[in-house]
Amino acid sequence: QKEVEQNSGPLSVPEGAIASLNCTYSDRGSQSFFWYRQYSGKSPELIMSIYSNGDKEDGRFTAQLNKASQYVSLLIRDSQPSDSATYLCALLRSARQLTFGSGTQLTVLP
Amino acid sequence: DAGVIQSPRHEVTEMGQEVTLRCKPISGHDYLFWYRQTMMRGLELLIYFNNNVPIDDSGMPEDRFSAKMPNASFSTLKIQPSEPRDSAVYFCASSFFPRGVNTEAFFGQGTRLTVV
Repeated sequence: QKEVEQNSGPLSVPEGAIASLNCTYSDRGSQSFFWYRQYSGKSPELIMSIYSNGDKEDGRFTAQLNKASQYVSLLIRDSQPSDSATYLCALLRSARQLTFGSGTQLTVLP
Repeated sequence: DAGVIQSPRHEVTEMGQEVTLRCKPISGHDYLFWYRQTMMRGLELLIYFNNNVPIDDSGMPEDRFSAKMPNASFSTLKIQPSEPRDSAVYFCASSFFPRGVNTEAFFGQGTRLTVV
């Protein structure tokens, strides 16, 4: 089993809809979780971090963490064409090893 | 701060040649990560350093790959000899983790390596 698993997609949603991105992980010792966005040809950039069970909201983005189910998700409300990118789930293990999933490609259709 | 700086941005080399990728982390960051990204395998962690010391190099694919961090402001990733399957984008990232706080990793712009 991969340490971090994501649906590779691609995922397409219409403009204004909610995009839901999911991630599962295998290391129960992981404490910190991140969502990075990567535009084509660019480097990953952080959009959300979450450390505790529950929801964390930042503007149109909501991260959800369920450590019991080893599940992390990212919701993007009112999706815009500019949100079209690859979204990478990452976790920080106790040894400070930052591991990424393979990413989900999101396309928001105008 | 200028962020994480990688050089070169693009590298085209012939199979069998030595390739050296360079990274300057953000000043004050004590962790440095080297990643390789391909369509097939995604973003793979190759090796990471803490305070210039390699912590885990289990992601280094073969002995042809080596990495060094001689000081806090410079790291290299070397491939010798290079092979076409090494073609990928190589990212360097840096971070710091004050006690009790987990912060993000900042990425450089990457080096696109093509081995022909």
